[in-house]
Amino acid sequence: DTQMTQSPSSVSASVGDRVTLTCRASQDISSWLAWYQQKPGKAPKLLIYTASSLQNGVPSRFSGSGSGADFTLTISSLQPEDFATYFCQQTKNFPYTFGQGTKLEIK
Amino acid sequence: QVQLQESGPGLVKPSETLSLTCTVSGGSITTGLYFWSWIRQPPGKPLEWIGYIFYSGSTNYNPSLKSRVTISRDTSKNQFSLNLNSVTAADTAVYYCARADQGVGATYWGQGTLVSVSS
Repeated sequence: DTQMTQSPSSVSASVGDRVTLTCRASQDISSWLAWYQQKPGKAPKLLIYTASSLQNGVPSRFSGSGSGADFTLTISSLQPEDFATYFCQQTKNFPYTFGQGTKLEIK
Repeated sequence: QVQLQESGPGLVKPSETLSLTCTVSGGSITTGLYFWSWIRQPPGKPLEWIGYIFYSGSTNYNPSLKSRVTISRDTSKNQFSLNLNSVTAADTAVYYCARADQGVGATYWGQGTLVSVSS
């Protein structure tokens, strides 16, 4: 299986900050990467697919980049509703494996 | 708008079989190139893709669970189901059903259901 590693495991930031989260795959997955946002007690929500494509309805302050094995999710100006846990997932090979998550907390 | 809803027991005894059903509304499980999937999340742990049943009826399971998992469907009810046998405490998790697109990921999710394995 392809292992996905996210860093940091948690980060504190303030409303209005620019934040970048990182995800690394254990092998080349081209651009087959998705990002999800999960709030406590809720199902994950797809934000980004194929590394940089914004899912319908997701605010444009979210952006993704990267290819091969290294990827980033950037939130350009944090809003109060963005404080959540973010997961990356490779979608190249089944099983579609997830990273362990980055918890974004309010500073 | 596609909606998914999990149902099934919230408590299962060790060594028994965990059985969950996902009822889909707003779209048929037999059309479109979709993977009707089960995903779980143990408390405080990452998400794990259990497996899927394709719109055609073919299935694919996570190798780590393959010997214990069966995913099936009832097209007349627009439902698909998960059976996981010989459960242990390690199978305690929130179980989600989801619709996935190849290469994209899970675009629609159920709300999730907590299944605890305990005697």
